[in-house]
Amino acid sequence: QVQLVESGGGVVQPGGSLRLSCAASRFTFSNYGIHWVRQAPGKGLEWVAFIRSDERNKYYADSVKGRFTISRDNSKNTLYLQMNSLRTEDTAVYYCAKSDSAGPGYVDYWGQGILVTVSS
Amino acid sequence: ESVLTQSPGTLSLSPGERATLSCRASQSVSSNYLAWYQQKPGQAPRLLIYGASSRATGIPDRFSGSGSGTDFTLTISRLEPEDFAVYYCQQYGSSLLTFGGGTKVEIK
Repeated sequence: QVQLVESGGGVVQPGGSLRLSCAASRFTFSNYGIHWVRQAPGKGLEWVAFIRSDERNKYYADSVKGRFTISRDNSKNTLYLQMNSLRTEDTAVYYCAKSDSAGPGYVDYWGQGILVTVSS
Repeated sequence: ESVLTQSPGTLSLSPGERATLSCRASQSVSSNYLAWYQQKPGQAPRLLIYGASSRATGIPDRFSGSGSGTDFTLTISRLEPEDFAVYYCQQYGSSLLTFGGGTKVEIK
């Protein structure tokens, strides 16, 4: 069964930075695109970013463009999300989510999520 | 960017009843690339439907999806106790994905 395990969450002050990681296993990581999706406390799902399997394309939601950077290391089966200039409204559970294809498709597997809290 | 509007916000039904959830897009969803997810408290979402009407692996046949263009529907034919949850639609027809705001199906 596909496994996606997020790490790197925690509490950070507004304006600060944090890097999330997602360790993937039990599938051929380099063949699939991966999304980051977040969920603020008590709110709905918000798509954040996507990276294609071969890193040729990256896409971002307007709410994070210019502040967040998605990347991956296919040799380590790991996905990253570098989050800079964090705001209180970035507080959420962040999910690593596998696309069904190399491109930005639907999510067929989700990680368990990691909490990021932006607070002074 | 396609905005997805789900209705109703909350659906109060009894076990055994039929649930009909709506998802309307602000622009036509390319190739009917529309998915539905179920989320229970404290859990990650789970894929139910993709391509508007294809059930994901292991999803019971009481769940069905229909629709095209801008109007999509998720139907649960007979609600089981484990089906009470929040349901989200998502479009993946463009490179910027979007989710609907969700419909909560609660026990009446």
